[in-house]
Amino acid sequence: DAEITQSPRHKITETGRQVTLACHQTWNHNNMFWYRQDLGHGLRLIHYSYGVQDTNKGEVSDGYSVSRSNTEDLPLTLESAASSQTSVYFCASSEVRGGIDEQFFGPGTRLTVL
Amino acid sequence: QKEVEQNSGPLSVPEGAIASLNCTYSDRGSQSFFWYRQYSGKSPELIMFIYSNGDKEDGRFTAQLNKASQYVSLLIRDSQPSDSATYLCAVNAGNNRKLIWGLGTSLAVNP
Repeated sequence: DAEITQSPRHKITETGRQVTLACHQTWNHNNMFWYRQDLGHGLRLIHYSYGVQDTNKGEVSDGYSVSRSNTEDLPLTLESAASSQTSVYFCASSEVRGGIDEQFFGPGTRLTVL
Repeated sequence: QKEVEQNSGPLSVPEGAIASLNCTYSDRGSQSFFWYRQYSGKSPELIMFIYSNGDKEDGRFTAQLNKASQYVSLLIRDSQPSDSATYLCAVNAGNNRKLIWGLGTSLAVNP
């Protein structure tokens, strides 16, 4: 069955370290998204991609970067982790079907920055 | 600033009752509307979408859309304790494939 996976599921790191969160989907979707979810803020878009070599900034992109070298993967890199980046991170992918663009989510990565 | 607003709750209903969840949005150009369910510690999962004015039914779930009032709702009939979760409303403003998310409404169904 097609799916979307994230790794690691839990990560503890220290301030200033570079961290990469992996996202892999086997839906063959062109669109991929990274969100963070924090209490009181809901889901906030970090970066997104509409296809290979395409990346775009979302509403909270500072301190994060992504690259899209193939259809299946969109890794999220925290260049220099900060305590404010402690959060739950969700990857999602989507494809337009019948005029509707449904997003499907991975299981999430809980990141703690000490 | 495009916004999607939901009552945070918690909304508490007895088992077997109808739960009514509401969502308003600011962008009149919005074209498709989604309801996601999120259990504690889990990722959001899509339960329904709607893009035409009126009602759309799927099992115990009914989505209602009123574009003139910029209002979308989700009704859950015969509520079960397993329906206890946070329900997220998301809105897609047309060609833009991004979703604008509400903060979610927490629903508790009491046995």
